[in-house]
Amino acid sequence: QQQVKQSPQSLIVQKGGISIINCAYENTAFDYFPWYQQFPGKGPALLIAIRPDVSEKKEGRFTISFNKSAKQFSLHIMDSQPGDSATYFCAASSTDSWGKLQFGAGTQVVVTP
Amino acid sequence: ETGVTQTPRHLVMGMTNKKSLKCEQHLGHNAMYWYKQSAKKPLELMFVYNFKEQTENNSVPSRFSPECPNSSHLFLHLHTLQPEDSALYLCASSQAGVGGTEAFFGQGTRLTVV
Repeated sequence: QQQVKQSPQSLIVQKGGISIINCAYENTAFDYFPWYQQFPGKGPALLIAIRPDVSEKKEGRFTISFNKSAKQFSLHIMDSQPGDSATYFCAASSTDSWGKLQFGAGTQVVVTP
Repeated sequence: ETGVTQTPRHLVMGMTNKKSLKCEQHLGHNAMYWYKQSAKKPLELMFVYNFKEQTENNSVPSRFSPECPNSSHLFLHLHTLQPEDSALYLCASSQAGVGGTEAFFGQGTRLTVV
């Protein structure tokens, strides 16, 4: 069964707009929630990550919002740029899982000029 | 070189062939992973190695055979594959153990089974 559900599957946003991607999980043992960015022909690269002891984390134009009670977390890309066009994956893991990541299905983001 | 390096980048093989994928990490990490990435599906964890010991096999068919000779190298041996095995195979490494840590991915091997 898919442990992390991600939506939407694809997203088109204008330059300067806000991109929002949502993820939901079931396993309450998860305690690490990273977002990965993947460009065509490349492997995924860590973008930003959060632990459940905080509700929000911001790095530059990228913000994770985390709702522990709802078991949901989201990625906001502010002032989206054409260079942000990529596929974004949310993921989750637990302390005792030796780094095993459960991934969402991915969201393809296209930022139009 | 730094990071995680995978070879070859592209591979086309027949269903009766035997081939191997190679992964090397230069990060001093203690854990390595094989993931399968198919179109419109989540990355699927295939195998986990910690300190060279396999700790997980996620119900992967026996036509995929991993090998980890040391903590820096990981192989995926392939034989008698099926067309549905065509996918991007990603290797990753991390310094795992306590809490979640960043996984570094290679660029992947694009495998096509004909």
